Amino acid sequence: QKEVEQNSGPLSVPEGAIASLNCTYSDRGSQSFFWYRQYSGKSPELIMSIYSNGDKEDGRFTAQLNKASQYVSLLIRDSQPSDSATYLCAVNKGPMKTSYDKVIFGPGTSLSVIP
Amino acid sequence: GAGVSQSPSNKVTEKGKDVELRCDPISGHTALYWYRQSLGQGLEFLIYFQGNSAPDKSGLPSDRFSAERTGGSVSTLTIQRTQQEDSAVYLCASSQGGVPYNEQFFGPGTRLTVL
Repeated sequence: QKEVEQNSGPLSVPEGAIASLNCTYSDRGSQSFFWYRQYSGKSPELIMSIYSNGDKEDGRFTAQLNKASQYVSLLIRDSQPSDSATYLCAVNKGPMKTSYDKVIFGPGTSLSVIP
Repeated sequence: GAGVSQSPSNKVTEKGKDVELRCDPISGHTALYWYRQSLGQGLEFLIYFQGNSAPDKSGLPSDRFSAERTGGSVSTLTIQRTQQEDSAVYLCASSQGGVPYNEQFFGPGTRLTVL
């Protein structure tokens, strides 16, 4: 089992719809969860971080965390063509000796918002 | 404040030559990561430095790759006897370190082309 898994996509949604991106992780001790956005030819950019169970909202973005199910998701409301990018889920590796705060990235989900 | 900087932004080299890539992390960040990203692929973890701890080198693909971090700040990634398969974008990221607030911030990357 890979440490962090995401559907590779591509995920296509019409403009104005809700885009739902999902991520699962294997390490039950993980405490920090992140979503990054990466435009083609650019570096990843942090858009959301979440540390406790439940929802966290920031503008059109909502991150959802369920530690019992080892599942984290990102919802993008009112999707815009400018949201078209690859979305990377990242999870800290959990309480191990020297890698307590080592962060593992998933393979990313490509999102395309169709005008 | 200043973000993560990397130099050079582009590097073209001939097969068999050595190259050095530099990363300047955000001031005060104790954790520093190197990743490699080939065209259309996900992030490939290379090496992780955290404070004065021994670096996690588990992602280095071969003994041609090495990295050091001087004074807990600037890092250099060295690739010896470059091969064409080393062509990729090399990304550096830094974070404050320490769970749970270990958000990573990425530099613009160095695009390496091995002819």
